[in-house]
Amino acid sequence: EAGVVQSPRYKIIEKKQPVAFWCNPISGHNTLYWYLQNLGQGPELLIRYENEEAVDDSQLPKDRFSAERLKGVDSTLKIQPAELGDSAVYLCASSAARGLVGEQFFGPGTRLTVL
Amino acid sequence: GNSVTQMEGPVTLSEEAFLTINCTYTATGYPSLFWYVQYPGEGLQLLLKATKADDKGSNKGFEATYRKETTSFHLEKGSVQVSDSAVYFCALSADRYSGGGADGLTFGKGTHLIIQP
Repeated sequence: EAGVVQSPRYKIIEKKQPVAFWCNPISGHNTLYWYLQNLGQGPELLIRYENEEAVDDSQLPKDRFSAERLKGVDSTLKIQPAELGDSAVYLCASSAARGLVGEQFFGPGTRLTVL
Repeated sequence: GNSVTQMEGPVTLSEEAFLTINCTYTATGYPSLFWYVQYPGEGLQLLLKATKADDKGSNKGFEATYRKETTSFHLEKGSVQVSDSAVYFCALSADRYSGGGADGLTFGKGTHLIIQP
């Protein structure tokens, strides 16, 4: 079974440029998460989707970050414009759990460097 | 809000030593608790979990017991190997009875474990 797929794996951009990250969850997983991981820190939740609905986006900086999950499968996270402080690893995870807590499966992440 | 505190690293041990990585949490309700591991160059993987008080999660020789009275979930292994070198994250998920599906995880900062031969 294929795991969570993310692309690109690495991205280097100039500040003020836009950037987008893509995630394909494990087939059949209804719940999708985007996390931000700064160097030396644990991941922090940005947004959670149940199918195509964003059910928890309280930690997403909405002035420059946006996300979508059209058709409830793939998801895209966008930053526009990027700032130096956005340099981090962006992780996508998916889960099949409903009602009770289940395992979250993580992708390899996209490492963003903003110059 | 919810938070997880785990011991700072790096933790350096010799092969076959006993390992303990401390983890304590603050949460409203009745969270589920997890240990995730990140091997060099790889993504996060679930190591073990526990969903109610006194539950013991175990996997690959690692164990952790959900202690509600001390709000702790310490990770232990009796004899570590070089291949256990990785970053270990303690995490929690909000009240399992919330009925809201699988909530996002709250992670600790991670503990870098280095095992020397």
